[in-house]
Amino acid sequence: DTGVSQDPRHKITKRGQNVTFRCDPISEHNRLYWYRQTLGQGPEFLTYFQNEAQLEKSRLLSDRFSAERPKGSFSTLEIQRTEQGDSAMYLCASSSLTGPDFNYEQYFGPGTRLTVT
Amino acid sequence: AQKVTQAQTEISVVEKEDVTLDCVYETRDTTYYLFWYKQPPSGELVFLIRRNSFDEQNEISGRYSWNFQKSTSSFNFTITASQVVDSAVYFCALSETNAGGTSYGKLTFGQGTILTVHP
Repeated sequence: DTGVSQDPRHKITKRGQNVTFRCDPISEHNRLYWYRQTLGQGPEFLTYFQNEAQLEKSRLLSDRFSAERPKGSFSTLEIQRTEQGDSAMYLCASSSLTGPDFNYEQYFGPGTRLTVT
Repeated sequence: AQKVTQAQTEISVVEKEDVTLDCVYETRDTTYYLFWYKQPPSGELVFLIRRNSFDEQNEISGRYSWNFQKSTSSFNFTITASQVVDSAVYFCALSETNAGGTSYGKLTFGQGTILTVHP
């Protein structure tokens, strides 16, 4: 069973550009989470999905941020009109609430490091 | 709102020393989950342990042990006979639950403790 994968691993963009990140969760994990981690800090929750439904969004998620999980499998996180303050590591995680892998542990991907110049 | 505090920003030890990482949490829920994650230099968060708020038994896994004390809202992590490979950032995290005891999923992390183990 492969782990959580994220693409790209690194992204450098100019201020004002749009960027999109992809996350592929562990197969059949029905929950998928997005977090943001800045240097020297713990990850901060952004949003999460249960299957296709987006169940919660943090106040950190401004209108410039949008996330989707259209078929309940992979997810995308888009940032429009990027700002220098968006520079961070964007982490994706997945977990299962059903089946033989039932647990609450979130398994994290390697992250996408965004640098806005 | 929930909060996790890891007061130790950095700890430096020599190999084979024992080291304890402190974690104190705040929550209004009576049912919640506590976690420890390790973030090595490669950057990927690695799950170490999950503890249900109803289970106050301490746990030992090899060189790792965890002490959960609900009375003091603490969930401390001890590494016995530390090794260089233990060098990493360690995060404590909290997840609250709904009335049915199902995790909301959102993890609230502490700021992390940087552990450096010198040979």
